[in-house]
Amino acid sequence: AQSVTQLGSHVSVSEGALVLLRCNYSSSVPPYLFWYVQYPNQGLQLLLKYTSAATLVKGINGFEAEFKKSETSFHLTKPSAHMSDAAEYFCAVSGAGGYNKLIFGAGTRLAVHP
Amino acid sequence: SAVISQKPSRDICQRGTSLTIQCQVDSQVTMMFWYRQQPGQSLTLIATANQGSEATYESGFVIDKFPISRPNLTFSTLTVSNMSPEDSSIYLCSVQNKGHLSYNEQFFGPGTRLTVL
Repeated sequence: AQSVTQLGSHVSVSEGALVLLRCNYSSSVPPYLFWYVQYPNQGLQLLLKYTSAATLVKGINGFEAEFKKSETSFHLTKPSAHMSDAAEYFCAVSGAGGYNKLIFGAGTRLAVHP
Repeated sequence: SAVISQKPSRDICQRGTSLTIQCQVDSQVTMMFWYRQQPGQSLTLIATANQGSEATYESGFVIDKFPISRPNLTFSTLTVSNMSPEDSSIYLCSVQNKGHLSYNEQFFGPGTRLTVL
């Protein structure tokens, strides 16, 4: 069975500050891990994915995430927040190989203030 | 990634009626999925739409309430039947391809925002 826990349903940062969104996963098989972003009134957009090729994954819009197997974590970071980063962020896990469903975390709403 | 469109983008419906949501992809895809996102919540998978066979439903979702069609590799519909206010949600379709560079990522449509009065 797989599951995802996102710590912090709401995160607020100042513009220019570090963004850290936390994700811990549980998986009985080697996982694929994803971060998606949802802007207001829009669908989900893939930010980045971990597929075992490299533990530090770079995505779009300056975001990156590091896979830490010992901590079962896949936290999302961005060095300097921009006002346009305000959105809902979802972490998701899938089993490697074949067709596997995505299991989503509860989401973290990021607010960026001036 | 594929370009995915959904119709309608939003609708307001009366209880007891049904609404059919369309999902169109600009290229052939292997797998299509339908999700529900209740207000302020995460995504819940309703079913996997299989081309040429019956959809596969998740626990808590039944075909009578959410009939799905998948007539070809670029199109699917989800019907929300006999609606009640509890069905007010965003409904999203997503697609997934199988290939040597596929890592199970899914690409999402813009969603259909449904309000049931």
